[in-house]
This record gives sequence, C-alpha cells and structure tokens, in this order.
Amino acid sequence: KQEVTQIPAALSVPEGENLVLNCSFTDSAIYNLQWFRQDPGKGLTSLLLIQSSQREQTSGRLNASLDKSSGRSTLYIAASQPGDSATYLCAASYNTDKLIFGTGTRLQVFP
Amino acid sequence: KAGVTQTPRYLIKTRGQQVTLSCSPISGHRSVSWYQQTPGQGLQFLFEYFSETQRNKGNFPGRFSGRQFSNSRSEMNVSTLELGDSALYLCASSLAGGADEQYFGPGTRLTVT
Repeated sequence: KQEVTQIPAALSVPEGENLVLNCSFTDSAIYNLQWFRQDPGKGLTSLLLIQSSQREQTSGRLNASLDKSSGRSTLYIAASQPGDSATYLCAASYNTDKLIFGTGTRLQVFP
Repeated sequence: KAGVTQTPRYLIKTRGQQVTLSCSPISGHRSVSWYQQTPGQGLQFLFEYFSETQRNKGNFPGRFSGRQFSNSRSEMNVSTLELGDSALYLCASSLAGGADEQYFGPGTRLTVT
C-alpha cells in the first residue's frame, strides 16, 4: 500500500532558526514529490516539485531533497520567519494520476 | 495567468440534500482532480478527469460523482448529503496529470447540518 508519513506533526521554533521537515513514502516508484503549504481554511500553495530523476530543488529560502532509495524527502527552511507559519504537506505522485498526501507538519514560528 | 477558481467558496446544506461544486482550471490545463479534506482523514483523492473522461477514482461511495466539460471546467456532485460529508473540497489542475505539477484552488467549504 502506498503511504506517505510526515514527521513531526507539529513544530514550534523561534524566528531565525533553520529547520527541516521530513516526509517518508513506502513505495519508491514515485513520479514526483511535491511540497505544499496550507494556511488555515485555505487551499494549497505549491512550493516545490521534485521529479523522480532529480535530487533536489530550491526556491528562495526553501530547499527540498529527494532520496528514492530510502523513501524520504526533506524540506529545509532557512532563516524562518513568522510568515512561514502554516501547515506543510508533502504529496507523492505515482502512475495513477492522483497525489497521496502526508498528514502534514503544523509549523509555528514565533517572534 | 489566472489560478484555479472554485465556486461557491462556502455552502451550508441539510442532510439528504444534494450539492454541486464547480472548478475552473488554469487556462491550458486539461486535467482536473478533486480532493476531500477533513481533520480526521486528511486529504483524500476523489477522482480525476482528463479531456472529459474520468481516468481515476478514489474510494468514495457512488453518491460522489463528477464530470468535465469540453472547456476543462469540472463539477462534482454529492447526492443525499450526510453529516460526514462536511469538509473542504479542493480541486487541482495540471497540464495532463501524471507527473505534472498540481495547482490547487482555494476550496469549497461544505457544512452539512
């Protein structure tokens, strides 16, 4: 069964810290791995997409890596800010035209 | 380029009623997927349409149905609403599905009383 897990479920850090969010998937035959951000009651905002042939992607203060052999992806956020507070979701895409989502990491960055 | 739009944004319905939600994808995108998000189950896949054809369906009862029009706009319908159908319904569009990047709309918040 294809499953995606995210650890930790919640994280609270002071402003300025660098942090890592983890995503694990059981089936390594993924097409891609996508990271999203969701603010309370809102839709999902795509942050980074890593294709199966790639090892990492970067956008501003965000860097996402992908290790298919170990079934893991990490999202690195540098110099966190209060505006980064949100729930972060990873989702794996396989050959079924659907995304399998993790349960998310709720991040709070306090001033 | 305009993003994915969903209407209505909020709905309150009574048990037993039916509801139709609409999703307009990003211009040029031909794949539309629907997801249900609840606190207990997280994000679950409902179905995916491409060129007016349903290509994939999640594990939901037949009360949940959808369709896609020739302009790629999609609707989903839920009949005989139950309290457990209360959720945020999200649609996502992509160029052709599969490994393409998915872009999500703001969602429709459905409350069933």
